[in-house]
Amino acid sequence: EPEVTQTPSHQVTQMGQEVILRCVPISNHLYFYWYRQILGQKVEFLVSFYNNEISEKSEIFDDQFSVERPDGSNFTLKIRSTKLEDSAMYFCASSSRDRGHYGYTFGSGTRLTVV
Amino acid sequence: QQQVKQSPQSLIVQKGGISIINCAYENTAFDYFPWYQQFPGKGPALLIAIRPDVSEKKEGRFTISFNKSAKQFSLHIMDSQPGDSATYFCAGSQAGTALIFGKGTTLSVSS
Repeated sequence: EPEVTQTPSHQVTQMGQEVILRCVPISNHLYFYWYRQILGQKVEFLVSFYNNEISEKSEIFDDQFSVERPDGSNFTLKIRSTKLEDSAMYFCASSSRDRGHYGYTFGSGTRLTVV
Repeated sequence: QQQVKQSPQSLIVQKGGISIINCAYENTAFDYFPWYQQFPGKGPALLIAIRPDVSEKKEGRFTISFNKSAKQFSLHIMDSQPGDSATYFCAGSQAGTALIFGKGTTLSVSS
């Protein structure tokens, strides 16, 4: 079964540093998403991306965050100047055109720890 | 307006019993209601989903019951097994916009 692949699985970074989280969506999917989950809490929407631009973003997704699809396969989330409260699991997801935003497939996540 | 409220926060069920998790939504424009299952260290995985034009959907041991007038929907897991022990999230979405998740229910099925 096709998978969404995320790397790294765990990232530890110093407060104030920049991190890039990487995702390889399912190859024929056209909608891409980032969500985050603070330990023990609900899954929160960050941003959706379609046709090489942001289609929707939450209030969490401020100027500290950016997304990019640098080539035909990768989808990245950049967090500039990380804060302690950015520590969370970050999940990438993708879905196909024929199902629109429905039927997401999530990756296994990147655990980001800011120290 | 965007919230999805989920209960209970945790649930312990005997093997073979029925697990019931409830969700309530506020946004009447939501047109897609999925349930996701998450095991520790993994991402959420789609379990079953329903649209508001039907009142019930069943897939194997998993059933969604949907009450449009009450803006509520629930997941029923029949013949619960230890392998069903996981965190379950309900969610809602409007016309292809982002999924809004509930806070999750941790289910433990005791053998």
